[in-house]
Amino acid sequence: NAGVTQTPKFQVLKTGQSMTLQCAQDMNHEYMSWYRQDPGMGLRLIHYSVGAGITDQGEVPNGYNVSRSTTEDFPLRLLSAAPSQTSVYFCASSYSGGSEQFFGPGTRLTVL
Amino acid sequence: AQSVAQPEDQVNVAEGNPLTVKCTYSVSGNPYLFWYVQYPNRGLQFLLKYITGDNLVKGSYGFEAEFNKSQTSFHLKKPSALVSDSALYFCAVRDKGTYKYIFGTGTRLKVLA
Repeated sequence: NAGVTQTPKFQVLKTGQSMTLQCAQDMNHEYMSWYRQDPGMGLRLIHYSVGAGITDQGEVPNGYNVSRSTTEDFPLRLLSAAPSQTSVYFCASSYSGGSEQFFGPGTRLTVL
Repeated sequence: AQSVAQPEDQVNVAEGNPLTVKCTYSVSGNPYLFWYVQYPNRGLQFLLKYITGDNLVKGSYGFEAEFNKSQTSFHLKKPSALVSDSALYFCAVRDKGTYKYIFGTGTRLKVLA
């Protein structure tokens, strides 16, 4: 099992550009989520999904879109990048909402 | 509003001494509680969780945590710290009524040789 994979590992964007962060898991997990990690603020939930076709907003959803067309994939789209979105982004998955989450290696995004 | 507090940004402990990393939470109902560890430039790794049952939970790498409902706390403990335990530790809570996880701001543990 590859577990949770994220691409790219690093990305630099200019303000206003759009991009998609990819996340995939091969564990047949129903629950997937996206977090951003900023110094002194821990991890904050952006969006999450409890199954294919079902998504919901987390704590900091503005400026981000998600979709879940398959169980395996949960891409995060930045519509118009802003410097405030400079962060490290983690994708995670779990078998259910009550089980432990498996985290990907992260994507370090810089918006200039 | 749901919240998780880790009151210490950093905890220093000598190798071989017991360690405690504190976590308190505020959530409606009975929560699921978790501890994760993050090593430099890595994703988070699961350590242990409390769902129900025995208040003392044992997890990976010799760590354990005690759930205290009256104090709404879930402190992480280890009887004898190792230098390799040095990392960033996160407490997290999930309200059983929702699927949203709330993480604390993290506590950096430094074990001194």
